[in-house]
Amino acid sequence: RKEVEQDPGPFNVPEGATVAFNCTYSNSASQSFFWYRQDCRKEPKLLMSVYSSGNEDGRFTAQLNRASQYISLLIRDSKLSDSATYLCVVNTNAGKSTFGDGTTLTVKP
Amino acid sequence: DARVTQTPRHKVTEMGQEVTMRCQPILGHNTVFWYRQTMMQGLELLAYFRNRAPLDDSGMPKDRFSAEMPDATLATLKIQPSEPRDSAVYFCASGSSGSYEQYFGPGTRLTVT
Repeated sequence: RKEVEQDPGPFNVPEGATVAFNCTYSNSASQSFFWYRQDCRKEPKLLMSVYSSGNEDGRFTAQLNRASQYISLLIRDSKLSDSATYLCVVNTNAGKSTFGDGTTLTVKP
Repeated sequence: DARVTQTPRHKVTEMGQEVTMRCQPILGHNTVFWYRQTMMQGLELLAYFRNRAPLDDSGMPKDRFSAEMPDATLATLKIQPSEPRDSAVYFCASGSSGSYEQYFGPGTRLTVT
């Protein structure tokens, strides 16, 4: 079993749709959590941090459930420009990072 | 706009040759990560440094790979000898130990024939 697991998708949604991604992790000692976005043939870019209290940035909402060891990303009112691969990242207190394999999103007109 | 830089951006080499990839972290960042990405394996952590000291290189094949930080502005990843299975995109990322956020360079696309 991988340390960090994501549904690979692909998720194909129309513009304006709401889409949610989940990510589960196995190391209960994990301390910090992030979502990254990666466009085709580009480097991953930090999208947002994930906190236990949940956090929102415009159309994006991230949440953490420590008891169940999963994090989620919700995208509302999807735009064509949201098409990308979304990677969840889990860090231990020592700073070691483990990336999920990513979930591919395609937003269609 | 501070960015992580990596050189070369592309490298094609023959099996058995030495390959050296370089990374300049964002000024002031004290943590540097090396990742490898392939279609089959996704993004794998090879090694990471904090304050130039290696903290973990367990993801790196020790017999042929080596990673160093000669100074705070330069990290290197070396493969010797290279093999076709090393073909991948190698990313460097930097961050501050207090936040764990990572900022990636554009990557080095390596092809070993």
